[in-house]
Amino acid sequence: DAGVIQSPRHEVTEMGQEVTLRCKPISGHNSLFWYRQTMMRGLELLIYFNNNVPIDDSGMPEDRFSAKMPNASFSTLKIQPSEPRDSAVYFCASSADGLAGETQYFGPGTRLLVL
Amino acid sequence: QQQVKQSPQSLIVQKGGISIINCAYENTAFDYFPWYQQFPGKGPALLIAIRPDVSEKKEGRFTISFNKSAKQFSLHIMDSQPGDSATYFCAASRSSYGKLTFGQGTILTVHP
Repeated sequence: DAGVIQSPRHEVTEMGQEVTLRCKPISGHNSLFWYRQTMMRGLELLIYFNNNVPIDDSGMPEDRFSAKMPNASFSTLKIQPSEPRDSAVYFCASSADGLAGETQYFGPGTRLLVL
Repeated sequence: QQQVKQSPQSLIVQKGGISIINCAYENTAFDYFPWYQQFPGKGPALLIAIRPDVSEKKEGRFTISFNKSAKQFSLHIMDSQPGDSATYFCAASRSSYGKLTFGQGTILTVHP
């Protein structure tokens, strides 16, 4: 299995631009998680999907952030407009059954720098 | 309360020594306690996990000790090796919900 696939791996953009991060979960997994990692705040859960439905989006910072999961094999996290404080590493993770506490498998992350 | 507090922030151990990282939680509904290991430039990966029906779980050189009454759990790495140098995160969740709350992480350095 290829594991969780994220793209791009690195993104540098200017403040005000739209940023779209992409994630392909492990085949057969029904739960998908988006995390943000910074030195100051550590690992924070942004949003959690189960069977393509958002279960918990309480970690989404503000309206500039949005996430979609149109099907079981693809999810996007969009930031519009981006700000320098959004600079972080964004991880996508998937699990076979998030509601049963199954292991979360993390992707390699997207390192975002907003200038 | 959703916080998970982890200590120390950083730890330096000599090769062959024991590394100990501690975590404390507040939410008594938590019933799943994993530890994740993260190497630079990589995503976190599950190392070992425990549920509160046991007080200890061992996998190779890695052991989780769990104290339900104190709401604390810890990771012990025996015979620490330079290859163990990484950032370690404890986490907690209600297994029926799946949302992991992570500790702040511990940067472990094992000197040869």
